Parts: sequence; C-alpha cells; structure tokens
Amino acid sequence: QIQLVQSGPELKKPGESVKISCKASGYTFTDYAMHWVKQAPGKGLKWMGWINTYTGKPTYADDFKGRFVFSLEASASTANLQISNLKNEDTATYFCARGQLNPYWYFDFWGPGTMVTVSS
Amino acid sequence: DIQMTQSPTSLAASVGESVTITCLASEDIYGSLVWYQQKPGKSPQLLIYGATILEDGIPSRFSGSGSDTQYSLKINSLQPEDFASYYCQNGLSTPLTFGSGTKLEIK
Repeated sequence: QIQLVQSGPELKKPGESVKISCKASGYTFTDYAMHWVKQAPGKGLKWMGWINTYTGKPTYADDFKGRFVFSLEASASTANLQISNLKNEDTATYFCARGQLNPYWYFDFWGPGTMVTVSS
Repeated sequence: DIQMTQSPTSLAASVGESVTITCLASEDIYGSLVWYQQKPGKSPQLLIYGATILEDGIPSRFSGSGSDTQYSLKINSLQPEDFASYYCQNGLSTPLTFGSGTKLEIK
C-alpha cells in the first residue's frame, strides 16, 4: 500500500536549521510530484511548493523562497525539506503530500506530518 | 493568486443531519476544486477532486458540486466520524491555495 513516512518531531532554537524527510513506498517514486504543506498550530493549510521527483526541479511558493530547500534522495524514494535560519513563525507541522496533475492539482496521499517547534 | 473563501468558519450539527460547506474562488477555476477532511492531530484526507469526483473509498454521503467560482461540499446523514475540519483547494494553477477551513462540530 502507498505510504509516506516522515521523520520525527524537532525542537530547534531560532537561527538553527532543520531537515525533514519523507520516505515514499508502494509506488514508483519518480512518477509523482511531491508537495510540501505547512500548518501552523491551530491554523489552516498553506502550500509551500513542490519538487519534480523525475528531474529534481523544485518550485517554491513566494512565501517560501530563500530559507527553504526541497531536495531528493531518489534512490531512497525520499524527499526532504530543509529550513535554515529558523524563526519562531516556522513553528508548525509540515506535511509531504503526493501530487496528482491529471488534469487537476491535488494531493491523494499525505504523510503524517512533522512537528517543528522553534523556541529559545 | 487565486483566493479561496470558505464558509462557514464553523458549523454545529447533529448525527443524521445534512450540512453544506461552500467555497468561493476569486476567479473561475473551471471545476478544479478539491475538498479535504482533516481530523485533529491527523493529516488531511482527499475527499473530492474535480469539484464532483469522489475519491476511492470515500462514502457516497459526501458529494461535491459547483462550477466557475462557486462550489459546495454536502454531507448527507452525518456520522460521528464526519465531525472534523474541511478545506477546499484551488486545483487549477499554482500557487495552490486553500480555503481557511470549516470546523464541523457535534451539536
């Protein structure tokens, strides 16, 4: 069965970096895009961008340009999200989600989320 | 960017009732509306895409309708497991945008 397994919760200080992983199984990794979605505590969903798992090309939403990096370990069917120079407002749960585009953009499988807490 | 305005923000209903949640896009999204359900502490689950297409395994009491800029999610005969938050999403173009969510609570 299709699964996205994410790395565990993180507690970081402002200015530090964090790397979150999302390991896919049950399908051909390079056949589907991987998206990242942020959810701050008690808030709604915000799309961060996506990575083409075939070419490795990332695309970032405007609010996530600069400190955020999407990467792949394609041989391990894993997508990563790295956030540098962490700020308090980065405290959130980060979801990876498998993307469909046929012809609509939507997410048919989601990881369980990784909680990142930024606190001094 | 396409803005998605979802209403109501919260809704209280009883088991067995029917409810409707609406989503208004800031421009025509040509039927590319997506609905998700999210339970506390869990990841969102896909319910409907293409405005009306029910994802495999989703009960038929969920249905979607709409076109152009106006869309709705209807849940018939509410079950206890339906009390959750619901989000709409623009599926037409990036940046992909979500509505602010509707929290469905038990009355």
